[in-house]
Amino acid sequence: EVQLVQSGAEVKKPGESLKISCQISGYSFSSYWIGWVRQMPGKGLDWMGIIYPVDSDTRYSPSFQGQVTLSVDKSINTAYLQWRSLKASDTAIYYCARRWSGYGYDAFDIWGQGTMVTVS
Amino acid sequence: QTVVTQEPSLTVSPGGKVTLTCASSTGVVTSGDHPSWFQQRPGQTPRPLIYSTDNKHSWTPARFSGSLLGGKAALTLSGVQPEDEADYYCLLYFGAAQGWVFGGGTKVTVL
Repeated sequence: EVQLVQSGAEVKKPGESLKISCQISGYSFSSYWIGWVRQMPGKGLDWMGIIYPVDSDTRYSPSFQGQVTLSVDKSINTAYLQWRSLKASDTAIYYCARRWSGYGYDAFDIWGQGTMVTVS
Repeated sequence: QTVVTQEPSLTVSPGGKVTLTCASSTGVVTSGDHPSWFQQRPGQTPRPLIYSTDNKHSWTPARFSGSLLGGKAALTLSGVQPEDEADYYCLLYFGAAQGWVFGGGTKVTVL
């Protein structure tokens, strides 16, 4: 079964650093891009960025460029989202999602369960 | 900054039909924007419904369909069920430089 399993909820203070994870199982990790999505409390979805595990090619939304860093560890089939210095406005649920694409189609088809990050 | 716009809210009767739309500030939405649609019920993870305009995932109920309509992407729910009450988000692709942008979401109430 294809699964993206995310790390557990975090409670941090402003200024602290954080790295949350998304572990992939059930398919070849290197074959698909992994995207990240933010959902602030009571708000909609915000697309943050995407990373290709093969070569760590990374694309960021202009809104998140310089605010977060995406990375992968191919040895353990895991993607990461990290912050160097958290702000209260980073409080949100963060989802990872697999990008499934080919000629004529493009989809984020499998999603992680989400990681709640609280900064207070 | 590209903006993707959806209706904030729509109400539909059980068994009825409703169409949600997704517009781009850059102009006409095309199949090349690979419009996707997601359903999110309260407290749940977003659930993909439609990709690349009109393709259904294996788990997508037949009553959901996607299309292009009047320069926008559209999601139509036919024979609406009470469990379809949820937030629906569209997602458009704007190329390698900008990536993807979500719409603000449409809250569908079944009443």
